[in-house]
Amino acid sequence: KQEVTQIPAALSVPEGENLVLNCSFTDSAIYNLQWFRQDPGKGLTSLLLIQSSQREQTSGRLNASLDKSSGRSTLYIAASQPGDSATYLCAVKDAGGTSYGKLTFGQGTILTVHP
Amino acid sequence: NAGVTQTPKFRILKIGQSMTLQCTQDMNHNYMYWYRQDPGMGLKLIYYSVGAGITDKGEVPNGYNVSRSTTEDFPLRLELAAPSQTSVYFCASSHRAGNSYEQYFGPGTRLTVT
Repeated sequence: KQEVTQIPAALSVPEGENLVLNCSFTDSAIYNLQWFRQDPGKGLTSLLLIQSSQREQTSGRLNASLDKSSGRSTLYIAASQPGDSATYLCAVKDAGGTSYGKLTFGQGTILTVHP
Repeated sequence: NAGVTQTPKFRILKIGQSMTLQCTQDMNHNYMYWYRQDPGMGLKLIYYSVGAGITDKGEVPNGYNVSRSTTEDFPLRLELAAPSQTSVYFCASSHRAGNSYEQYFGPGTRLTVT
């Protein structure tokens, strides 16, 4: 059974810092990995999706990497801003013909960027 | 496009009551999902559907039922509400593009059972 773990559970940084969020998964047979952002009391917003054949994806100040063989992904946020404060979730889609896009989620990292 | 919409946003139920959480998507996605999120936890899959008329259980289906009569709608039914069902419920949809099933989420329904 796939398990996804995110470290750290919470992170507080001053504005302007570069930071890294970590995600690990136990079964390397995945189709893709997706990073989401969740603001308090809100739904999930997809940030980046990395296919299993890719090593990284970039969007603005965000860069996500994937090392499938070691079961790890990182989300790098450059020049953090207070508006980046949110919970960040990673989720994997397992390979296999009957998975139909089902995602297994980590528990999230709560990020606080203070001015 | 409105994307994925959910109603209601909030609901308080008494133990033993029943209710239906509504979910609608206007992106013509075949795949739809219901998740629950407990405090400090990630999301867990309750049920999913790969198209109208086809549903299947996820990781935590007990106490819930679903139906999918149209592509757009995927309601989640709680028959006998229990305090353990206090949670935030998210509906999502996706389409298949190759091996990608990028999921789009609704804003959630916050349910309290007392």
